[in-house]
Amino acid sequence: AQKVTQAQTEISVVEKEDVTLDCVYETRDTTYYLFWYKQPPSGELVFLIRRNSFDEQNEISGRYSWNFQKSTSSFNFTITASQVVDSAVYFCALSERGRGAQKLVFGQGTRLTINP
Amino acid sequence: DSGVTQTPKHLITATGQRVTLRCSPRSGDLSVYWYQQSLDQGLQFLIQYYNGEERAKGNILERFSAQQFPDLHSELNLSSLELGDSALYFCASSASPGTTNTGELFFGEGSRLTVL
Repeated sequence: AQKVTQAQTEISVVEKEDVTLDCVYETRDTTYYLFWYKQPPSGELVFLIRRNSFDEQNEISGRYSWNFQKSTSSFNFTITASQVVDSAVYFCALSERGRGAQKLVFGQGTRLTINP
Repeated sequence: DSGVTQTPKHLITATGQRVTLRCSPRSGDLSVYWYQQSLDQGLQFLIQYYNGEERAKGNILERFSAQQFPDLHSELNLSSLELGDSALYFCASSASPGTTNTGELFFGEGSRLTVL
């Protein structure tokens, strides 16, 4: 069965610090997708990034970067120079697709608090 | 704004009652998904519909049912409500196969159900 583990339940840092959120996944599929979503205090789920299993290139988007390592089944997320607005719960998710069906399996989430 | 609309945003009801949550997907999306977010279970996949047909089923209780109508909106029916059904219920939609389907799910703002 597919599983996503976010071992860090809560992280608290001071503004401008760098912070890395860990994500480890399990799947028997050779083709899969990994995602990160952000859930700010307002409650909605905001898509951040998608990565397919064949693309192990790291990605950077502004202060955000993602490190995908298939060898360790990890898809970690780093925020550089964190800001108070980054405070949210962050979810890593794994997608299983086939026969027109798709479901995301989410990790338990990491609550990130950025203190001024 | 993801383009996915959920109503109602908040709902308070009593044990034993029945409620209906409604979701309108993004324009053009044929797939609709329902997720439940509770404190103890995290984000759990309930069910997926594609163009009116059920495509995937997750941990959905027998007291819960869903359907997708010809106009593609979906409803999640929750009956014989228990205290433990209190949760945030998300609807999501995704781009249809044959389009630029990145696998990304676009989530609505959720319907917060409180069972007293």
